[in-house]
Amino acid sequence: NAGVTQTPKFRVLKTGQSMTLLCAQDMNHEYMYWYRQDPGMGLRLIHYSVGEGTTAKGEVPDGYNVSRLKKQNFLLGLESAAPSQTSVYFCASSYARMGEQFFGPGTRLTVL
Amino acid sequence: AQSVAQPEDQVNVAEGNPLTVKCTYSVSGNPYLFWYVQYPNRGLQFLLKYITGDNLVKGSYGFEAEFNKSQTSFHLKKPSALVSDSALYFCAVREDSGYSTLTFGKGTMLLVSP
Repeated sequence: NAGVTQTPKFRVLKTGQSMTLLCAQDMNHEYMYWYRQDPGMGLRLIHYSVGEGTTAKGEVPDGYNVSRLKKQNFLLGLESAAPSQTSVYFCASSYARMGEQFFGPGTRLTVL
Repeated sequence: AQSVAQPEDQVNVAEGNPLTVKCTYSVSGNPYLFWYVQYPNRGLQFLLKYITGDNLVKGSYGFEAEFNKSQTSFHLKKPSALVSDSALYFCAVREDSGYSTLTFGKGTMLLVSP
């Protein structure tokens, strides 16, 4: 099992450009999450999904959109990137709401 | 609203000595508590969790944590630290309500010296 994978691993964008981050999991998990990690701030939840076709806002959803068209995939989109979105983005999945989350390796995004 | 605090940005300990990484939390109802570890340039890895039951929870790599309801704490401990334990440690909490999600602390860097 590959677990949770994320593509790309690194990306540099210019302000105003758009991009999509892809998260895939092969554990048949219902729940998937997108976090951002910034120095000294821990992980903050951007959006999450409790099942195929569902999405919900987390703590810091502004400037991001998500889609969960297939159970195994969770996409995070930036429509118009801003320097404040420079961060490391982590995807995670879990079998149950109270279960432990399994994390991907992260995507390091820089917005110039 | 739920919250979690890790009061120490960094903990330094010599190899072979016991280590403690502190965590306190605040929730309205009953807490579900987790510890994760992050090695450089990697994603987070699950160490242990408290849902209910025994206050002393044992996890991966010899780590354990003690749930203390009266002090609203969930400190991570290990009897004998290894240099390889050096990493960033995160405490996380969620309430036992249906719509609650996980809230992470800011992390504590553990440095174990030889």
